[in-house]
Amino acid sequence: KAGVTQTPRYLIKTRGQQVTLSCSPISGHRSVSWYQQTPGQGLQFLFEYFSETQRNKGNFPGRFSGRQFSNSRSEMNVSTLELGDSALYLCASSTGGPGDTQYFGPGTRLTVL
Amino acid sequence: GESVGLHLPTLSVQEGDNSIINCAYSNSASDYFIWYKQESGKGPQFIIDIRSNMDKRQGQRVTVLLNKTVKHLSLQIAATQPGDSAVYFCAENLSDYKLSFGAGTTVTVRA
Repeated sequence: KAGVTQTPRYLIKTRGQQVTLSCSPISGHRSVSWYQQTPGQGLQFLFEYFSETQRNKGNFPGRFSGRQFSNSRSEMNVSTLELGDSALYLCASSTGGPGDTQYFGPGTRLTVL
Repeated sequence: GESVGLHLPTLSVQEGDNSIINCAYSNSASDYFIWYKQESGKGPQFIIDIRSNMDKRQGQRVTVLLNKTVKHLSLQIAATQPGDSAVYFCAENLSDYKLSFGAGTTVTVRA
């Protein structure tokens, strides 16, 4: 079974631009979660989607948004990019139960110049 | 999770020795705990998990111990190999669909 895939793997943007990252979950998984990983803050939860509905959200500004499609694929968008948004953005998928194991993709490395 | 007390940000271990990685979690209501391994340039990889109704769980070369009294989690790796060099994270789950991660421990295996 194929793992979680994320595109693109690397991205360079400038301040003020917006960016859209994509995640395809493991086949059969209906939950997709997004995390931001930085050296200073570690791994931080952004949001989680199940059946196209956001069930939980972390403490990030409104510039960070996401959505999920009917095929469980998910996208996250960051608008008005800031230098501090440079990070590894990780997507994880699970079957969707509250204590189900989350499996991670390789991440998208975003650099904001 | 968060890392206080027994947590070490780095661990150097001789190949063939056993490794013990510690983690202190933050929420006594957490009911599910996971250890992940992250190699350079990759996403976190699931190693082993444990529910709050257990205090020990074993996998292949790995054992997780949970002490709910002091909110402490540990990962033991037997016969550490060069391929075990990575950053190890503990994560806790409150059955609210999100994981809270500890700061991570970088394990370096010496030949």
